Amino acid sequence: DAKTTQPTSMDCAEGRAANLPCNHSTISGNEYVYWYRQIHSQGPQYIIHGLKNNETNEMASLIITEDRKSSTLILPHATLRDTAVYYCIALRWGTSYGKLTFGQGTILTVHP
Amino acid sequence: DAGVIQSPRHEVTEMGQEVTLRCKPISGHNSLFWYRQTMMRGLELLIYFNNNVPIDDSGMPEDRFSAKMPNASFSTLKIQPSEPRDSAVYFCASSLAEGNTGELFFGEGSRLTVL
Repeated sequence: DAKTTQPTSMDCAEGRAANLPCNHSTISGNEYVYWYRQIHSQGPQYIIHGLKNNETNEMASLIITEDRKSSTLILPHATLRDTAVYYCIALRWGTSYGKLTFGQGTILTVHP
Repeated sequence: DAGVIQSPRHEVTEMGQEVTLRCKPISGHNSLFWYRQTMMRGLELLIYFNNNVPIDDSGMPEDRFSAKMPNASFSTLKIQPSEPRDSAVYFCASSLAEGNTGELFFGEGSRLTVL
């Protein structure tokens, strides 16, 4: 699976959009971009995933560049409960059965 | 749905003792993963199963660690003998591997402290 690069930490004001970038310049055509987050002391939680089209669900939006070398996770109206570590993972499902390899992620702090 | 259930939530034991962590995956899921999380090393995949069969155990740190999945609704991770460096939070996750996508559902973790 392709390596991803994320900023170590980011801040966001409550109520504003949080835009978390991820670089995956070596991603292959059959690798999906997955986002998970881990709130303190809890297990990681799935947020969203995409292949090449932009995706939106009740939690977030995922914007993938046309060349697929980078993506941005958008939390449209961040709340204090969105403070967490956010992981961007490139994953080719196939015979890996979806096993995730976590990097260090981005520590997002939402402040009042 | 009850989600992935892990037990115990907290375990404090002394060096040399056997530790058994348990996991009940979500009903109907066919893949199960054991992860370990420490401050130093982050989240590490230890082993994963598909249809109760171990697929990749290359993340298991040493022979003191073993994992079993006797049936689709139960898995154990055993450490014998335990050492202080095994102190960590151990997460179990399950998924339904179908097609080319899916998501992992994680339990709340078992926090192990070895004195």
